[in-house]
Amino acid sequence: DTEVTQTPKHLVMGMTNKKSLKCEQHMGHRAMYWYKQKAKKPPELMFVYSYEKLSINESVPSRFSPECPNSSLLNLHLHALQPEDSALYLCASSQVGLAGLRGTGELFFGEGSRLTVL
Amino acid sequence: GEDVEQSLFLSVREGDSSVINCTYTDSSSTYLYWYKQEPGAGLQLLTYIFSNMDMKQDQRLTVLLNKKDKHLSLRIADTQTGDSAIYFCAESWGSSNTGKLIFGQGTTLQVKP
Repeated sequence: DTEVTQTPKHLVMGMTNKKSLKCEQHMGHRAMYWYKQKAKKPPELMFVYSYEKLSINESVPSRFSPECPNSSLLNLHLHALQPEDSALYLCASSQVGLAGLRGTGELFFGEGSRLTVL
Repeated sequence: GEDVEQSLFLSVREGDSSVINCTYTDSSSTYLYWYKQEPGAGLQLLTYIFSNMDMKQDQRLTVLLNKKDKHLSLRIADTQTGDSAIYFCAESWGSSNTGKLIFGQGTTLQVKP
């Protein structure tokens, strides 16, 4: 199984709603990521979890709240979002290097959740 | 700071070769990557090259790395209409094990029949 599965594929929410994006992988990867991608732009890193602990937060506003319940799951909780938060949210996973050695760093991406904030 | 640059658009005819270029800044990058994104889809890793290599070939894809000039290129031989997509080069950032990648702006490849 080399897939990263994201749900839902599409989400429309109002600025006062609370919703969550979900991501799942069964490749045994211990690093998981959230990226945000606007149309015709590269993905921008939001969060990195390594061994289920948050290791990187790229100064993301607190209205985005990540959660990593276990090594296979990654959630992104959304609350009080703004219209400019509308984007494609991509989840990815990768191996983590062992004891000073690095894996290839290859990221496996899901198909994304397309979020529209009204 | 880290930065990756690509030209934004390339148009070729079906059957021709395509060459997409990229320059990067982080000389400590261990791996460099090419990802493909089709409309409405996530990113798919096409290939990667280890920083101590000059060239890597994988079927129709050839990656060339000039480490001195920090220049990376992707050549697609016999380009097909199914190759139409956005191509992102990416470098691994710093020495962290977390696999943080810095992406270029993406090159839109248009293949005309």
